[in-house]
Amino acid sequence: EVQLVESGGGLVKPGGSLRLSCAASGFTFSSYSMNWVRQAPGKGLEWVSSISSSSSYIYYADSVKGRFTISRDNAKNSLYLQMNSLRAEDTAVYYCATARVRGSRAFDIWGQGTMVTVSS
Amino acid sequence: DIQMTQSPSSVSASVGDRVTITCRASQGISSWLAWYQQKPGKAPKLLIYAASSLQSGVPSRFSGSGSGTDFTLTISSLQPEDFATYYCQQANSFPQTFGQGTKVEIK
Repeated sequence: EVQLVESGGGLVKPGGSLRLSCAASGFTFSSYSMNWVRQAPGKGLEWVSSISSSSSYIYYADSVKGRFTISRDNAKNSLYLQMNSLRAEDTAVYYCATARVRGSRAFDIWGQGTMVTVSS
Repeated sequence: DIQMTQSPSSVSASVGDRVTITCRASQGISSWLAWYQQKPGKAPKLLIYAASSLQSGVPSRFSGSGSGTDFTLTISSLQPEDFATYYCQQANSFPQTFGQGTKVEIK
């Protein structure tokens, strides 16, 4: 079964750090770009970051640039998001997603999400 | 950044109705557009990619059209399981951006 499973969310104080993980299974992880998308409570979807299959290309939303770092370990079929200097506005469900549909860049597989709450 | 504007923000419809949602990009994105369905507490689900290609396993009552700046998602005959929020997403360039969402509610 094709699956993405996020972990690492939780409650953190403003200014704190958190590292999210996304474990992939059921497909050739190393062949596809990976992405993080977040959704604040009651709000819409916000793209956060993308990383190419070999980590050669990395992109961030302006809202997280300089604070978040995306990375991947193809040997472990895992994606990561290191989040530093967290702010209240980073509170959201964080989803990892992959884009396996050739020529479309659409996110065809999503994880179940992990909640990050930034509060004192 | 490319802004994606969906309309309407919400729509009330009955089972069997035809529903159309539009998405407009602030600049041309060719066919780099996807549509997603999201139900409360669940992850989004890909419906349409490349503006008009139906994702595997998605019912044929869903269809997409458009290119450039104007796109539509059509549900030809609304079913009870289709009540959800729908998002468009442009994948033409980074930062990738989503529309604000359209909530399809029961009339």
